[in-house]
Order: sequence, then C-alpha cells, then structure tokens
Amino acid sequence: AQTVTQSQPEMSVQEAETVTLSCTYDTSENNYYLFWYKQPPSRQMILVIRQEAYKQQNATENRFSVNFQKAAKSFSLKISDSQLGDTAMYFCAFPRSNFNKFYFGSGTKLNVKP
Amino acid sequence: DGGITQSPKYLFRKEGQNVTLSCEQNLNHDAMYWYRQDPGQGLRLIYYSQIVNDFQKGDIAEGYSVSREKKESFPLTVTSAQKNPTAFYLCASSAGTASSYEQYFGPGTRLTVT
Repeated sequence: AQTVTQSQPEMSVQEAETVTLSCTYDTSENNYYLFWYKQPPSRQMILVIRQEAYKQQNATENRFSVNFQKAAKSFSLKISDSQLGDTAMYFCAFPRSNFNKFYFGSGTKLNVKP
Repeated sequence: DGGITQSPKYLFRKEGQNVTLSCEQNLNHDAMYWYRQDPGQGLRLIYYSQIVNDFQKGDIAEGYSVSREKKESFPLTVTSAQKNPTAFYLCASSAGTASSYEQYFGPGTRLTVT
C-alpha cells in the first residue's frame, strides 16, 4: 500500500512566484516526523525542511515553509520567491518508526522558468 | 569535510555478472541505508544497517546483498539474480535510528547492465 503520495508529477512556476507542492501520507502513529528532500539535476539528495508532528507550528526555512494538516495527513511544501536554482525533483519522505526506514513519495518535478 | 562518498559515479556491466557498489561515510553515523531509484518512482529501500555486523532486508532486497564490517562502509552487491538491475543507487546514513534523524545521502551510482 502506498504510504506517501505526491499527486503532482510535474509543476512549473515563474521565477519570483510562489508554488505549493502537495503530499499526503498514511499512518496510525501519533508522534512522527516528515521531511521534504530536493534532488537537483546533479541527483544529490538535499534536505529542505523537517516537520515534527506534535508541533502545531508549521516549519519554516527561509523561502521554504510547510502547511502541515495532521488530521488530514497532509504535508505540503510552499516555495516563495522561486529561484532558478529551485528547479529539481522534490520528494516527501516519512520515516517508519522502526529503524528510521524512510518511505518516499514518487516525487514532483519542479521547473522554475525565467 | 564530512560526508558520504559513492563510487563509481557510472558503472557498466554485462548481464550475468555480479557488481559491487561502494559507500563510505565519515560522519560517524551508526545507521546506513541503500535505496534504488527508478524513473517516475520514489526511492525504495534495499537494505539497511543499524550497527556494524548487522543488517536487515528492506522492501526490495531480492537479488542484492550487503556487508557491514566497518562502521564507515556499507557496500552493496548487485547479483546476477537481480532481474532488472539497471537503476540509480543511493546510499544514505543517519546518526541514529529514531525517526527524528534526517538521512544524509551520497551522490549516487548509475548502474547500467546490458
């Protein structure tokens, strides 16, 4: 069964605009963490942002922020003031509680256009 | 600089041959992981290891083998039993196995089997 779902295979945004990438997940746990990773054309996976489920406040890292809806099991990533360097695949990741094994979504390819 | 190295970046093999992918980390991390990435899919877990001399199968372990003789090294062997070995392989590590720990990734190895 799919545990992490990213329903947008590909998205485009104009430079300097804002874009939101969607992610939903399924879990019966109450305390957990969620991650967004970025994979640019170099294919190096880079952590973008992390959210702790027991924290009501949405995580923010500079231009990146999340909209975490625990009841809806939704974890979207908002990128403000998009830059050309944001062009990449973005993966939502959910670690299973045992041994920190990650489930990854299928990814969203984001193209930032000049 | 601390990090994870994978070698080689590109690897070509003939069908029926075993091949070993290297993964080395100098982050002093206890846990290490191997993922496979195919186009249009997220990362899928092959094997993982919590500590030296111990490892467990992930979701797609058939046709693969690993060893963990040293803390810093976690090589992956793709055997001839793996039916579709052509893929991008990513190695990762984390400081612990609690789900709060992010995973750090190597640059990956692209394996092509013909």
